[in-house]
Amino acid sequence: EIVMTQSPATLSVSPGERATLSCRASQSVKSDLAWYQQKPGQAPRLLIYGASNRATYIPDRFIGSGSGTEFTLTISSLQSDDFAVYYCLQYNSWPPAYTFGQGTKLEIK
Amino acid sequence: QVQLVQSGAEVKKPGSSVKVSCKASGGTFSTYAMSWVRQAPGQGLEWMGGIIPLYGTVNYAQKLQGRVTITADESATTAYLELSSLRSEDTAVYYCARGQFDCSRTSCYRDNYFYYMDVWGKGTTVTVSS
Repeated sequence: EIVMTQSPATLSVSPGERATLSCRASQSVKSDLAWYQQKPGQAPRLLIYGASNRATYIPDRFIGSGSGTEFTLTISSLQSDDFAVYYCLQYNSWPPAYTFGQGTKLEIK
Repeated sequence: QVQLVQSGAEVKKPGSSVKVSCKASGGTFSTYAMSWVRQAPGQGLEWMGGIIPLYGTVNYAQKLQGRVTITADESATTAYLELSSLRSEDTAVYYCARGQFDCSRTSCYRDNYFYYMDVWGKGTTVTVSS
């Protein structure tokens, strides 16, 4: 099983500043990586797929990068609506045995 | 606009089974994957498995093999998750999510496909308690 490790577990950032979230895979997942945002009581929302492609209606302040085993989600100029938990997902394993990271909680500083 | 509507909350006894449904409206049901993801209280997301009606294939997370069954009724555009031998650790919110194939890096076919979840249902709470 491919293990996804996210860091940090909690990130405190002030509104208007930049947040950088990391996700590391235990083996290469090429670019088969997605990022999700989840708010309390809600289903996850797709932000990024293919490591760097923004999903429909996702603002351009969300930027995904990386390939292989190291990935980053950067959120520039944080807005109040961005404070949530973020998960990465690898969808590279064959046969499918997809795995999520444990999540990074982005909180207001 | 694709929507996934899940069945209502369930309370089950340990050792019993539960079956959750997910009806899709909009889009072409058979050309997407349908995955199930669960989230225990205060915990992260866990992929349980997925079905590809187009290829007639189903895949499950190894830890749930033998207890989980995912099916789909294409005529009803509905996917189902059945989990048996329930235990307290199965208490969670269960989400269905549409799988969007990512064929940008390689060709997708029956024995080679990759998908991410792009549209999610609102979740079904399953509580296992004696």
